[in-house]
Amino acid sequence: QQQVKQSPQSLIVQKGGISIINCAYENTAFDYFPWYQQFPGKGPALLIAIRPDVSEKKEGRFTISFNKSAKQFSLHIMDSQPGDSATYFCAASIGGNEKLTFGTGTRLTIIP
Amino acid sequence: SAVISQKPSRDICQRGTSLTIQCQVDSQVTMMFWYRQQPGQSLTLIATANQGSEATYESGFVIDKFPISRPNLTFSTLTVSNMSPEDSSIYLCSVTQGSGNQPQHFGDGTRLSIL
Repeated sequence: QQQVKQSPQSLIVQKGGISIINCAYENTAFDYFPWYQQFPGKGPALLIAIRPDVSEKKEGRFTISFNKSAKQFSLHIMDSQPGDSATYFCAASIGGNEKLTFGTGTRLTIIP
Repeated sequence: SAVISQKPSRDICQRGTSLTIQCQVDSQVTMMFWYRQQPGQSLTLIATANQGSEATYESGFVIDKFPISRPNLTFSTLTVSNMSPEDSSIYLCSVTQGSGNQPQHFGDGTRLSIL
């Protein structure tokens, strides 16, 4: 059973635009929601994470928005750059030290 | 964050053989996990490597196929046994440090192809 659903599967955004990736979860016990960025040939790198006690977290150009009642969270990349072209995974866990359940991934391409 | 080294980085193996993948961390970690990422797919947890005791396997993964060791707080191995082409994947080690809610960091993985 896929517990974390991610959309879209792929996304093309013009340089300088806003990239938005959405995730929805089913298990209400999840309390830690990280986003990972993966470049070809590399392991996933932690980008930003949020807990359900806040509705938004911002780090530089990256923002997570969290809607606990809807069981949804999203990643916004402002002023998207070609270097942001990568695959992005949302994930969820019960406690930050515990195993992660990953979304299906979004391949983001930023075009000039 | 910890520096995570996986060996080998890639390998091509014959079906029916076994391969052991190593995960070495440059500092002591609390938790170590092994994930599988099939080509173009997401990550699926294989097991949690427990220090000094048997690993905890997820549904669909068994110890006979994926034996795991974790002899200390900085090292773990995953063996892929009796390999078939369906085992062609990227195998990733991840770790967390400290207590409480800590982020999980990944190595660059082992790219395994079975002929």
